[in-house]
Amino acid sequence: GAVVSQHPSRVICKSGTSVKIECRSLDFQATTMFWYRQFPKQSLMLMATSNEGSKATYEQGVEKDKFLINHASLTLSTLTVTSAHPEDSSFYICSAGSGTSTDTQYFGPGTRLTVL
Amino acid sequence: GENVEQHPSTLSVQEGDSAVIKCTYSDSASNYFPWYKQELGKGPQLIIDIRSNVGEKKDQRIAVTLNKTAKHFSLHITETQPEDSAVYFCAASPPSGNEKLTFGTGTRLTIIP
Repeated sequence: GAVVSQHPSRVICKSGTSVKIECRSLDFQATTMFWYRQFPKQSLMLMATSNEGSKATYEQGVEKDKFLINHASLTLSTLTVTSAHPEDSSFYICSAGSGTSTDTQYFGPGTRLTVL
Repeated sequence: GENVEQHPSTLSVQEGDSAVIKCTYSDSASNYFPWYKQELGKGPQLIIDIRSNVGEKKDQRIAVTLNKTAKHFSLHITETQPEDSAVYFCAASPPSGNEKLTFGTGTRLTIIP
């Protein structure tokens, strides 16, 4: 149980285009999902907390207009990187609460974004 | 806010020996401490967690200990195997449910065959 999926696993896009990443909790309902960004050989940096049916809460320094987050259902949250630039290239990972424990987070497999 | 420090940053251990990774946290209100294993190109995988009402938890070759007074917790892996090679992250979370995790900086564990 407690499986989180992400799609796509890899994406390459041109500068100026927008990319949408999906995060799904497959066998539980997630009231809250989290989006992280990870640079090579570094720890996970929380970008935003996504709550179902309400606006996401962004961490300091994260541009909400650039990283659009939608959490339309209890099993799906999306992150859209708008007008992507090479500096947005990174590994994006989502996590979701297990539903049985309010603390435990399970992570998706990540999405490798490369902006040319 | 919470600050989590993790040591060492790299650790090499002979296969079959034990590995220990240590973390300290700053917020005494934190009461949930998970450990994640991340393999190259993959998302973090929860391997064990502990809550502040217990001092130790064990799951086969993996154990976690928590010292609330000193505000530190440790991951212990016994009888290490090559597949244990990965990056390990500790994290801390305050009470209140679905609160964000604060992660340590990670430990790259290499098991030498």
